[in-house]
This record gives sequence, C-alpha cells and structure tokens, in this order.
Amino acid sequence: KNEVEQSPQNLTAQEGEFITINCSYSVGISALHWLQQHPGGGIVSLFMLSSGKKKHGRLIATINIQEKHSSLHITASHPRDSAVYICAVAEGGSEKLVFGKGTKLTVNP
Amino acid sequence: NAGVTQTPKFRVLKTGQSMTLLCAQDMNHEYMYWYRQDPGMGLRLIHYSVGEGTTAKGEVPDGYNVSRLKKQNFLLGLESAAPSQTSVYFCASSTLGSPIGGYTFGSGTRLTVV
Repeated sequence: KNEVEQSPQNLTAQEGEFITINCSYSVGISALHWLQQHPGGGIVSLFMLSSGKKKHGRLIATINIQEKHSSLHITASHPRDSAVYICAVAEGGSEKLVFGKGTKLTVNP
Repeated sequence: NAGVTQTPKFRVLKTGQSMTLLCAQDMNHEYMYWYRQDPGMGLRLIHYSVGEGTTAKGEVPDGYNVSRLKKQNFLLGLESAAPSQTSVYFCASSTLGSPIGGYTFGSGTRLTVV
C-alpha cells in the first residue's frame, strides 16, 4: 500500500519567513500533487509534478523521484498563506490519488 | 466557468435517512471522484468513475452508492445514513494527460448524521 507522509504536521512562522513542507511516499508514482485548503474552504490544486521543479509566484515545488520525496517551499510568507497544505500522489498508470494528512501552516503577522 | 459544483453544501440527517449528493463539472473531464475528509486523516476515496456509465469502488465504499448517467454528473447516495458517515465530502474531476494537472475539486459538502 502506498503511504504518503508529510512533515511537519503543524508549522507556525512569522511573516516573511521561508517555509518548507516535506512529502515522502513509498511506491512508484506517475505524478505528485500539492494542494491548498483554507479553513472551512475547498481544495485548490497548486502544482502537479512528475519531475524537477515548478514555480508559481512565491511557491516552489520540487520532486526527487529516486528518493521518493517532494518539497513545497513558500518564500516571503504572508498571513494569507495560512492554510493546510496537502501532498497527494498518483500511482503509476492511475489517476486516483493517495493523500497525505496535510500540514497546517499558520503565518503570524 | 464554474468548474466542479457540489450540492448541497450542508446537510443534517437522522440515522437511517437517505440522501443524494450531486456533483457537476463543466470541463468535459473523463474522471470523477468522491472523497471523504475526516479529522486527522487524509482524504479517502469512496468511489470513482472513468467515464459515463462506469463506476468503481475506492478505499472506503461501504454504505455508499454512485451513478454516472451523464458525463458531467456524478451522484453519491447514502441509502441508510449512519453516524460514522458524518464527514466532509469532496467531489473532484480530472482528465488524463493534462499538462497542468487537471485535478479540480468541488467546495465540499459537510454532512452530519445524528
């Protein structure tokens, strides 16, 4: 069974800090997704990765297929970045996702 | 450009009652999914569909049924609700080979069974 582990579970930062959230998985995958969920809100797709690195504004996602590891970085964090960040993986050949439990990020002003 | 729309957004049921959650997408996606989200756990797949007229079981299918009579709609039914089905339900859709991921979620349905 594919396990998706995220760390840390909870993260508190001061505005402006550089944030890193980690995700590890146990089996071969075709893609890895990073998702964002605001309190009481829906789920928004941030990135889909199959290799290398992607950047959208202040968000950067990287993946190392050999090490089965991905990181989500937030530069110059802001209170509006406060949310739960979820890592999810699609096993090879499947569109179905297996989800991590999420990392709750709080950015204080 | 609505994306994925779920109805209703909130519902309270009594044990034993039935209900249907509706998911509609306007992106012509082939795949649709129903997930449940519970505190301290990742989202878990209930049922999914790879195309009109097809459905398949996910990780936690017991107590739920689904139908996909039209490509744009995916219905989740609870025939006899139980307190263990209290959860937040998310519908999602995706399309194969999309370079940007193509995975879109609805806004969720918060269901309480008393």
